[in-house]
Amino acid sequence: DAGVIQSPRHEVTEMGQEVTLRCKPISGHNSLFWYRQTMMRGLELLIYFNNNVPIDDSGMPEDRFSAKMPNASFSTLKIQPSEPRDSAVYFCASSLGVGLQTEAFFGQGTRLTVV
Amino acid sequence: GQQLNQSPQSMFIQEGEDVSMNCTSSSIFNTWLWYKQDPGEGPVLLIALYKAGELTSNGRLTAQFGITRKDSFLNISASIPSDVGIYFCAGIMTTDSWGKLQFGAGTQVVVTP
Repeated sequence: DAGVIQSPRHEVTEMGQEVTLRCKPISGHNSLFWYRQTMMRGLELLIYFNNNVPIDDSGMPEDRFSAKMPNASFSTLKIQPSEPRDSAVYFCASSLGVGLQTEAFFGQGTRLTVV
Repeated sequence: GQQLNQSPQSMFIQEGEDVSMNCTSSSIFNTWLWYKQDPGEGPVLLIALYKAGELTSNGRLTAQFGITRKDSFLNISASIPSDVGIYFCAGIMTTDSWGKLQFGAGTQVVVTP
């Protein structure tokens, strides 16, 4: 299995532009998580899905952030409009879902820089 | 905010030494996971623990799920240069039904030859 695949690996954009981050979870995994990592705040959970349904989006910073999971093999995290404080590494992770065996596997991340 | 207290924040050790780090919480957890993150990469799962008191090894790594279910530790024996990185604990609380992971702040390990 190729693992969790994220794209792009790096994104540099100007303030005010729309940014879309993409994730392909591990095949067969039912849960998908979006995290943001910064030096100041560490790993923060933004939103997670189970069976393509958003379960908890309380970590989404504000309305400029939105996430979708149209099917079991694809999710997007969109920031519109982007701001310099959104600069961070964004990780997608997937797991088998609810139950005891809920190890999450991470993608390589997207490093976002908003100038 | 973070509900896991991970310590130490950083460690500078010599090659060959053992490393020990731990995570504590005021909440009870069903699952403890330990991850390692290399620069420019995503966290990679090292060890998963599912039962109170469980002791699990993966090569030179050993981790334990605390009896109280509120803590876990990770040991690395005979450290080598490639052990350098940031180690994170993560847990799933008993009150969570969806497998939501809480993360510690990480322990940065630096190994000198």
